[in-house]
Amino acid sequence: EAQVTQNPRYLITVTGKKLTVTCSQNMNHEYMSWYRQDPGLGLRQIYYSMNVEVTDKGDVPEGYKVSRKEKRNFPLILESPSPNQTSLYFCASSSQGSYNEQFFGPGTRLTVL
Amino acid sequence: SQQGEEDPQALSIQEGENATMNCSYKTSINNLQWYRQNSGRGLVHLILIRSNEREKHSGRLRVTLDTSKKSSSLLITASRAADTASYFCATDGGLNSGYSTLTFGKGTMLLVSP
Repeated sequence: EAQVTQNPRYLITVTGKKLTVTCSQNMNHEYMSWYRQDPGLGLRQIYYSMNVEVTDKGDVPEGYKVSRKEKRNFPLILESPSPNQTSLYFCASSSQGSYNEQFFGPGTRLTVL
Repeated sequence: SQQGEEDPQALSIQEGENATMNCSYKTSINNLQWYRQNSGRGLVHLILIRSNEREKHSGRLRVTLDTSKKSSSLLITASRAADTASYFCATDGGLNSGYSTLTFGKGTMLLVSP
């Protein structure tokens, strides 16, 4: 089954404790991206990757890092999480970037205390 | 940068009625996409319409695109309670974007009552 998976689905952590949210897709998509969703603000893009070893900033990259060492994986790293990073995070993938439909993961609800 | 903006923010209708949601955007686009999100879950792609298309259908969904007005509409006909969800439009960055980004609006919350 074609899908995008994220782990963990729920995470409660404390300020400053490094964490990684994993994202994996099995559709051989070149393009992957991360979004955060906050009430009243909709979805905002954090980072995207056009292919392996090619990443770039989206609209709200501050406080986040990403890497793309393999085509199927695109982890989101919070080196020193802060309460303003409490949010619902989505990973998405597609062939040909924004030219085609995006396949979204189920989301990761992160709370930073 | 916020590109698409949906209108209305919320819509409440009865089962069997039609629901229309609108999306306006600011800059040129290659395509516009509509997504649905059930409460707190991942977004599901509904329809993609290219800038050279004016109308597209998929089952009970009809999407129109007016590039001169920089607007799109999503029509759901004969709505069902299961259509209750948030609906988002998303636009790419147009000719110079390199297909790198997709910008989402804030969404329309649709409530369909039995």
